[in-house]
Amino acid sequence: NAGVTQTPKFRVLKTGQSMTLLCAQDMNHEYMYWYRQDPGMGLRLIHYSVGEGTTAKGEVPDGYNVSRLKKQNFLLGLESAAPSQTSVYFCASRREANTDTQYFGPGTRLTVL
Amino acid sequence: KNEVEQSPQNLTAQEGEFITINCSYSVGISALHWLQQHPGGGIVSLFMLSSGKKKHGRLIATINIQEKHSSLHITASHPRDSAVYICAVSGGSNYKLTFGKGTLLTVNP
Repeated sequence: NAGVTQTPKFRVLKTGQSMTLLCAQDMNHEYMYWYRQDPGMGLRLIHYSVGEGTTAKGEVPDGYNVSRLKKQNFLLGLESAAPSQTSVYFCASRREANTDTQYFGPGTRLTVL
Repeated sequence: KNEVEQSPQNLTAQEGEFITINCSYSVGISALHWLQQHPGGGIVSLFMLSSGKKKHGRLIATINIQEKHSSLHITASHPRDSAVYICAVSGGSNYKLTFGKGTLLTVNP
């Protein structure tokens, strides 16, 4: 099993550009999450999905969109990147219960100039 | 006030020392998670517990549900234990984890 993978690992964007981050998991997990991690802020939830075809907003959803067309993939889109979106982005997944372990991807380091 | 508070924020130890990192939470939970993140690295789940105590190698995690408190202990610490340790709680119907801000542990040789 590859677990949770993220593509790309690094990216530099100019303000106003768009991009999509891909998260894939091969564990047949129902729940998937996108977080951002900033110094001194800890991990903050951007969007999440509780199953194929569903998405919901987290704590900091503005400026981001997501899609979960296939159970194994969760895409995070930035339509018009801003410097404030410079961060490390982590995807995670888990099975259904609140008592299940959450598995994290390796992260994507995004810089917006 | 954050729902999950960790202490200390930073901790420096000498190799071989016994380490304790604390986590307090203010909400009802289904489970508490301890995560590890090495500098520039990914996030790994160390423990998930809802009661009692769990041990894995030199790491021990305990939780007191009544006091809403958990501790992560590292025995015979080693420089490779240097990392950020993050406490998180899960519960309720919102399917998400609530994270503490992490404890940066540095173990010097």
